[in-house]
Amino acid sequence: DTEVTQTPKHLVMGMTNKKSLKCEQHMGHRAMYWYKQKAKKPPELMFVYSYEKLSINESVPSRFSPECPNSSLLNLHLHALQPEDSALYLCASSQDREGSDTQYFGPGTRLTVL
Amino acid sequence: QKEVEQNSGPLSVPEGAIASLNCTYSDRGSQSFFWYRQYSGKSPELIMSIYSNGDKEDGRFTAQLNKASQYVSLLIRDSQPSDSATYLCAVNIYNQGGKLIFGQGTELSVKP
Repeated sequence: DTEVTQTPKHLVMGMTNKKSLKCEQHMGHRAMYWYKQKAKKPPELMFVYSYEKLSINESVPSRFSPECPNSSLLNLHLHALQPEDSALYLCASSQDREGSDTQYFGPGTRLTVL
Repeated sequence: QKEVEQNSGPLSVPEGAIASLNCTYSDRGSQSFFWYRQYSGKSPELIMSIYSNGDKEDGRFTAQLNKASQYVSLLIRDSQPSDSATYLCAVNIYNQGGKLIFGQGTELSVKP
């Protein structure tokens, strides 16, 4: 089973709202990732967690706040977003973050910021 | 020079033909290579992974890797309309903490 789940599937929020995206995997993977994808572009890495610790932050604005409560869960807290933050947000996981490990993507959350 | 480049699309092939998707990369520290398929509005789905030089076959899909030429390709035999999607080449570079570098993607259209 290579399933990564994400909730919600769709989210519409105003610029003053606070919301959270959730990601879950039960494959025993120890690395989890957040990506952002705009239309007709490849996914862009935002954050990497390895063994529940933040290991990479790709200079993401502080209005995006990641959290890894345990090895199966990954959250992305959103606050004071801008309309240009509207995108598909993808979670992925891999066995580890070593170079040979395959990343498996969840179905994504389609975020619209009004 | 972009780190991972794919042949620009869209690529259109007739049903039953072989579709050839190409990808070059610039970092010789690259150690693992992936092809993902992405349907419009959906998330990337892993098609193939390849780590060593040569060919790797899985059903109608064959990945080819040539590290000397820094080139990886994906062949789709007996293309079907359901193969119509964007194909993303991704490269994992040694000691980059698991960061995948994606190409821009090639849009494939298989015409019945």
